[in-house]
Amino acid sequence: KQEVTQIPAALSVPEGENLVLNCSFTDSAIYNLQWFRQDPGKGLTSLLLIQSSQREQTSGRLNASLDKSSGRSTLYIAASQPGDSATYLCAVRPTSGTYKYIFGTGTRLKVLA
Amino acid sequence: SAVISQKPSRDICQRGTSLTIQCQVDSQVTMMFWYRQQPGQSLTLIATANQGSEATYESGFVIDKFPISRPNLTFSTLTVSNMSPEDSSIYLCSVSAEQGSGYTFGSGTRLTVV
Repeated sequence: KQEVTQIPAALSVPEGENLVLNCSFTDSAIYNLQWFRQDPGKGLTSLLLIQSSQREQTSGRLNASLDKSSGRSTLYIAASQPGDSATYLCAVRPTSGTYKYIFGTGTRLKVLA
Repeated sequence: SAVISQKPSRDICQRGTSLTIQCQVDSQVTMMFWYRQQPGQSLTLIATANQGSEATYESGFVIDKFPISRPNLTFSTLTVSNMSPEDSSIYLCSVSAEQGSGYTFGSGTRLTVV
């Protein structure tokens, strides 16, 4: 059974720092992995989608990597800003049968001005 | 990617009543999903909304409590029936254009049951 874990659960950093969020999954049989951002009480905004054949994706100050064999993905945020404060979720889509995404528990990020 | 309009954005409801949440997509999509996010928790899939047939429910969720309609490829509703305070959550609809593509989420419905 696929399980997705995110470490750390919460993170507080001063503005301007570069930071790394971690996502690990137990079964490497995935179609893709997606990173989302969620503001309090709101829906999810897609940040980056990495297909199983890809190693990384970049969008602006964000870079996500995928190491399928070790069951890990990292989200790198460069030069963090207070507006980056949110919960970051990773989710994997298994290859077996279902189209269901398996979500991690999230990392709550607070960037201090 | 698809744009989703979900409403209402929030509601406060009396226990024992029902609330219907709507999800409208600006393009035809194959798959639509309904998720629940309880306070402080991650997302849990309630069901897959199938066009023209009954929804497929995940373990722990039943049609009598969460009836779902999907009359066409751009629209779905989720009803939360006979609500109790334990139903207080954020409910989200999500779509995926095809296998291998990512998910897009609606802005969510924040439900409080009093």
